[in-house]
Amino acid sequence: DTAVSQTPKYLVTQMGNDKSIKCEQNLGHDTMYWYKQDSKKFLKIMFSYNNKELIINETVPNRFSPKSPDKAHLNLHINSLELGDSAVYFCASSRLPSAGGAGYTFGSGTRLTVV
Amino acid sequence: SQQGEEDPQALSIQEGENATMNCSYKTSINNLQWYRQNSGRGLVHLILIRSNEREKHSGRLRVTLDTSKKSSSLLITASRAADTASYFCATAQGGSEKLVFGKGTKLTVNP
Repeated sequence: DTAVSQTPKYLVTQMGNDKSIKCEQNLGHDTMYWYKQDSKKFLKIMFSYNNKELIINETVPNRFSPKSPDKAHLNLHINSLELGDSAVYFCASSRLPSAGGAGYTFGSGTRLTVV
Repeated sequence: SQQGEEDPQALSIQEGENATMNCSYKTSINNLQWYRQNSGRGLVHLILIRSNEREKHSGRLRVTLDTSKKSSSLLITASRAADTASYFCATAQGGSEKLVFGKGTKLTVNP
């Protein structure tokens, strides 16, 4: 069973379109995250939800809107896609506090290409 | 903002050799974690060291943490070709334990 699963794995779309990426975790974690990895492999946090409540909201264009219907799901909706949104988006989950030693569990990523 | 800076950016060694990667950070942390990313894959958590710990081992991995110097190192002993990957350090900050990643070290282990 996949612990953190994201769909779709690949997404190619035209500028101006609206798209969503879905994420689900079956680990019973209470916190989920969205990260963006650019072409230079730099990972930057975008959002985090703890038990459906937004706890981290980095400086991200408001075209990006996360939604957490329950603590096992965190979706990312992107409006009016731009070329610069092309990247790999990773979902992750964890149990807080992390000092128990487990760290984050990442999904396999969604490669978004805007043309 | 970026927190961890790994050094070197790229490292190429022969199988059987040890690989050492370093990470420096700027602010106080709750803990520091190391992750591995194989090409085209997600990140895999390797090891977590708390801010009050100085050294931790897991299999062939050894992590040290020096909070006075705000630095950490990851040592992989007896490397294997399968260890070829990018390695990232990440610092957990604040109550939300936001993980802030460095740029990573690309390790190549030649058979």
